[in-house]
Amino acid sequence: DVKVTQSSRYLVKRTGEKVFLECVQDMDHENMFWYRQDPGLGLRLIYFSYDVKMKEKGDIPEGYSVSREKKERFSLILESASTNQTSMYLCASSFMGRGRTEAFFGQGTRLTVV
Amino acid sequence: DAKTTQPPSMDCAEGRAANLPCNHSTISGNEYVYWYRQIHSQGPQYIIHGLKNNETNEMASLIITEDRKSSTLILPHATLRDTAVYYCIVRSANAGGTSYGKLTFGQGTILTVHP
Repeated sequence: DVKVTQSSRYLVKRTGEKVFLECVQDMDHENMFWYRQDPGLGLRLIYFSYDVKMKEKGDIPEGYSVSREKKERFSLILESASTNQTSMYLCASSFMGRGRTEAFFGQGTRLTVV
Repeated sequence: DAKTTQPPSMDCAEGRAANLPCNHSTISGNEYVYWYRQIHSQGPQYIIHGLKNNETNEMASLIITEDRKSSTLILPHATLRDTAVYYCIVRSANAGGTSYGKLTFGQGTILTVHP
């Protein structure tokens, strides 16, 4: 079974802290994604990566950065956490190319910034 | 990617078929229709996808109209565990290019299956 593992299920951080959310996938997928999900706003794409060291901004990249040094790992970084970044964060991965390219999601990290 | 429109909510009786519609009138020829669902407090789960032909798997059936401007996800015998938010997504099938692979979620349809 494909596994997308997020490092923490729940996280509480203070305003101004630098926060790292880690995601690891075990299926050799080229694509990896970070989303945040908020009530009434659905899932919004923050960043995605289609190869090692390659990244593209999604719809709401402000206040976030990402790192992909190895194919299986995609990190989301909150440079200086703020209370409006309190949210559920979801990581996903998928193959690139034709055919079956569905995305697999992790269980999510519920981040609270106080 | 083409935008999709789904009803915000639907109800279904347990054991009956649930038919979830999706409009994607601006879909282009190389775009697939994907369906995901999200059960409360979990990450979204892939259900099915298709290009032109109808598709069926162990979870559901996907009916795509001939003009490809709309589709219907069918859960043939809904159970209480099928209560979830269902997302219809249109996604490019072209390999290569940085926009490939990007998944854009709309608001989805909240399906409630009741006894």
